[in-house]
Amino acid sequence: AQSVTQPDIHITVSEGASLELRCNYSYGATPYLFWYVQSPGQGLQLLLKYFSGDTLVQGIKGFEAEFKRSQSSFNLRKPSVHWSDAAEYFCAVGTSGNTPLVFGKGTRLSVIA
Amino acid sequence: EAGVTQFPSHSVIEKGQTVTLRCDPISGHDNLYWYRRVMGKEIKFLLHFVKESKQDESGMPNNRFLAERTGGTYSTLKVQPAELEDSGVYFCASSQGTGAYGYTFGSGTRLTVV
Repeated sequence: AQSVTQPDIHITVSEGASLELRCNYSYGATPYLFWYVQSPGQGLQLLLKYFSGDTLVQGIKGFEAEFKRSQSSFNLRKPSVHWSDAAEYFCAVGTSGNTPLVFGKGTRLSVIA
Repeated sequence: EAGVTQFPSHSVIEKGQTVTLRCDPISGHDNLYWYRRVMGKEIKFLLHFVKESKQDESGMPNNRFLAERTGGTYSTLKVQPAELEDSGVYFCASSQGTGAYGYTFGSGTRLTVV
């Protein structure tokens, strides 16, 4: 069965600092990997996704993620965090077909001045 | 295009009452999914519709939950009778192709059972 681990429940970074949110997955084949963000009062917004090809994926809002098969990881990064990035971030794994996504528990990001 | 719309945005009900959540997917999206997030836990899949048919309802917690999708358009999720452990945020998502390519989510309905 698929599973996703986001080891950090809450992270606080200073505005302008770099950010890395960790995600590890468990899945026997090549997974489809996603990062979603939920801002307060909003729905889940897709930041980026990986299916195949280049392991470094660019997303919206200046985010990127790197798929590392050897480490079963798909960490999310941003070189310079803005206050508006404060939100909760979810990593998810899926497969081909209509099987549902499996989500991690989420990482809450706080941004301080 | 309009996004996925869910209402109500919040609902507070007493244990034993009935609540119905509604989801309007993006027009033309055949796939509709329901997910739930209980406080502090991960977002968990409940069920998947393809048009008006239930493709997968393996995540439905018990028979107090009933989902329908009328004519392949909007969907409702009824909880009857509601229990305290049903509290959480219920998300709906829709997609045009297979869900594995990323869905469009609604803002969710926050359900509180007291």
